[in-house]
Amino acid sequence: NAGVMQNPRHLVRRRGQEARLRCSPMKGHSHVYWYRQLPEEGLKFMVYLQKENIIDESGMPKERFSAEFPKEGPSILRIQQVVRGDSAAYFCASSLLGLAGANEQFFGPGTRLTVL
Amino acid sequence: AQSVAQPEDQVNVAEGNPLTVKCTYSVSGNPYLFWYVQYPNRGLQFLLKYITGDNLVKGSYGFEAEFNKSQTSFHLKKPSALVSDSALYFCAVIALSGTYKYIFGTGTRLKVLA
Repeated sequence: NAGVMQNPRHLVRRRGQEARLRCSPMKGHSHVYWYRQLPEEGLKFMVYLQKENIIDESGMPKERFSAEFPKEGPSILRIQQVVRGDSAAYFCASSLLGLAGANEQFFGPGTRLTVL
Repeated sequence: AQSVAQPEDQVNVAEGNPLTVKCTYSVSGNPYLFWYVQYPNRGLQFLLKYITGDNLVKGSYGFEAEFNKSQTSFHLKKPSALVSDSALYFCAVIALSGTYKYIFGTGTRLKVLA
């Protein structure tokens, strides 16, 4: 049973370019969460999605960032016109059910984005 | 505001000694509390959780945590530390803020010295 998969594991972009981060949740999981981790900091919630729906994007910057979780295929976190401050590790997590039932999340290995 | 605090950035302990990693929380209502561990260049791995019931929760790799409602704490413990336990540990609480979501502490780096 494959875990949560993220690719690429490392991504280097120049300022102004676009970054696309992919996340395939665990089999059967329909709840996907994206987090950002800055060096020596905890994880900050960005967005919560279910298939084809954004449930909560309260942690996502209003500009340049977007996320989707289509009916088929992985969830995508897209960052347009990247800036150096976007350099971070981005983690995706999935859960079988929502968090109202105190369900644990399963995390992917992360994508480390470096903006030059 | 709902929050989780991990007051120690780093904890050093000798191999074989007991370890404690501290966590306090501030949430409205009954908390759902979690501990996760992160090894270098890896995602977080679930260790244990408290929902209700017995205040002492046992988890993976010999770890346990004690829920203390009066002190609003959920400290992670292990009776005998291993060098392989060296990692970054995160405490988290599920809070209702719009939707239910995790609020993570800033993490505590545990170093177990041989």
